[in-house]
Amino acid sequence: QKEVEQNSGPLSVPEGAIASLNCTYSDRGSQSFFWYRQYSGKSPELIMFIYSNGDKEDGRFTAQLNKASQYVSLLIRDSQPSDSATYLCAVKVGIGKTSYDKVIFGPGTSLSVIP
Amino acid sequence: DVKVTQSSRYLVKRTGEKVFLECVQDMDHENMFWYRQDPGLGLRLIYFSYDVKMKEKGDIPEGYSVSREKKERFSLILESASTNQTSMYLCASSFYLGLGGISYEQYFGPGTRLTVT
Repeated sequence: QKEVEQNSGPLSVPEGAIASLNCTYSDRGSQSFFWYRQYSGKSPELIMFIYSNGDKEDGRFTAQLNKASQYVSLLIRDSQPSDSATYLCAVKVGIGKTSYDKVIFGPGTSLSVIP
Repeated sequence: DVKVTQSSRYLVKRTGEKVFLECVQDMDHENMFWYRQDPGLGLRLIYFSYDVKMKEKGDIPEGYSVSREKKERFSLILESASTNQTSMYLCASSFYLGLGGISYEQYFGPGTRLTVT
């Protein structure tokens, strides 16, 4: 069973701090990794994707990937109350066909940024 | 902007009814997906489709079927609704982007909250 696991949360950080969200996955064949943000009552929206080992930065967000450890993380610098949401880690697992791939979502980590 | 629409935001049905959930995307995406989202369980894939008339089972297909007669439309069907199918249903679509198609984004619809009584 291919699985994606995340911190159970909820995670609370003070405004201005760094929020660290973690995700592990079980399938070594996984190729691409995504972080989605989901506000309460809304649909998920993509905030970052990464497919190479190392760090990828986009504004206040940094995604980190370590394929050897099967670990991907999301760092949010200078956290703002507007960052309060559930963060979903998603992993793309190719299943041998060229035209589509399966994405497995983790259960999500709830982040609360305290003003 | 990509737009994925779902036919209803809220739906209340009775046990045993046949339920249709419709999803339409306007970006000519090849791939479309149906998920359900439940507290503590995250997003679970029910079915997906990578082309017209093509479908593949996801992780929890039991009690559901799908139809994709046109590229832009993907329907989820609950043949005989049961109370354990009360959930938030999310439709998504995607295409390939990035190098070699190794990454892509899924665009989600607003969701349909289905209650089966």
